[in-house]
Amino acid sequence: EPEVTQTPSHQVTQMGQEVILRCVPISNHLYFYWYRQILGQKVEFLVSFYNNEISEKSEIFDDQFSVERPDGSNFTLKIRSTKLEDSAMYFCASSEALETQYFGPGTRLLVL
Amino acid sequence: EDQVTQSPEALRLQEGESSSLNCSYTVSGLRGLFWYRQDPGKGPEFLFTLYSAGEEKEKERLKATLTKKESFLHITAPKPEDSATYLCAVTVPGGSYIPTFGRGTSLIVHP
Repeated sequence: EPEVTQTPSHQVTQMGQEVILRCVPISNHLYFYWYRQILGQKVEFLVSFYNNEISEKSEIFDDQFSVERPDGSNFTLKIRSTKLEDSAMYFCASSEALETQYFGPGTRLLVL
Repeated sequence: EDQVTQSPEALRLQEGESSSLNCSYTVSGLRGLFWYRQDPGKGPEFLFTLYSAGEEKEKERLKATLTKKESFLHITAPKPEDSATYLCAVTVPGGSYIPTFGRGTSLIVHP
């Protein structure tokens, strides 16, 4: 069964460093998303991406964040200058149409 | 104010003890209601999508139902492997298809 994959599974970085989180969405899906989940809290939407551009973003997705689809399979989330409060699980998701989203296993980001 | 409220926050069951989880929503209208299962340290795993009141979906020991203001996830004769956090999310009509998630119900099934 096709699934969303994410790398790395864990990332430890120093405050102020740049990180890139990678995702490979399900191959025939057209819509891509990033979410985060701080430990013990709700899943929060960051950004959605369709047709090579951002279609929607939340207040969390400020200038420190960017997304890119560098080739036909990868979808990346970059955090330019990480802060302590960026520590969270980051989930990529994809959907074939604008409905049910399928999530990846997540990247656990720890900012020290 | 939360638009999606899940109850209880935590539930402990004995193996074989059936129960229900609740997801109530206060949004104006509903496009879709989604149930996901999340294991510790993992991503949400899709279970069901419901669109209209009266709709029901089943998968193994799980059955999801929907009314105009809430959804129930019924677990029949649960097994320890059903232990997980169950998340509910809703989308509303009018543009955004981004789901709003509840805080989840943490289910532990004891053997």
